[in-house]
Amino acid sequence: GIQVEQSPPDLILQEGANSTLRCNFSDSVNNLQWFHQNPWGQLINLFYIPSGTKQNGRLSATTVATERYSLLYISSSQTTDSGVYFCAVVTGGGNKLTFGTGTQLKVEL
Amino acid sequence: DGGITQSPKYLFRKEGQNVTLSCEQNLNHDAMYWYRQDPGQGLRLIYYSQIVNDFQKGDIAEGYSVSREKKESFPLTVTSAQKNPTAFYLCASSIQGPNTGELFFGEGSRLTVL
Repeated sequence: GIQVEQSPPDLILQEGANSTLRCNFSDSVNNLQWFHQNPWGQLINLFYIPSGTKQNGRLSATTVATERYSLLYISSSQTTDSGVYFCAVVTGGGNKLTFGTGTQLKVEL
Repeated sequence: DGGITQSPKYLFRKEGQNVTLSCEQNLNHDAMYWYRQDPGQGLRLIYYSQIVNDFQKGDIAEGYSVSREKKESFPLTVTSAQKNPTAFYLCASSIQGPNTGELFFGEGSRLTVL
């Protein structure tokens, strides 16, 4: 099956700093989503981005499908950005969303 | 408000007991899914259903059962055959299959086996 690797596994930032999270996948994909899992466990949809670039406030994402990676940019980080960020993909003809292992982000004052 | 409702949020059960987790959606989505998450891990697919009265096994279906009698409901039963049932369970839905759009998740149910 498809492999989804995220880096870095852990990240600690000072409030106000910028960061880039990376998601590499081993096969072509029809669907790619980024989620933020808050401390209570809820998965919050950030982006549905099988290709191209999208922005939503301080967050933006870029997927380069031909090179099999996606990037999530967080600018001017806040303590409420803390949590785990997951990338998840569906391969062409696939029927399930496969999750990466996540990036644990902690934003400190 | 439209969304996905899971209940209960927390559940304790004794070994050897079956337990059923509820998942209801009012988004008019055709497809529904159950995922399991263990501490420090990503999510793994248990079962999914793309249409009423039909469902398919995911990667870790052993010890679980589901039904899809109504479009809006997809309950998951954790049976006594599941060897390590303590986990966080998440239900999701999408308009059609995962190839054609976004998945949205409920708030999850935390099951602890004593």
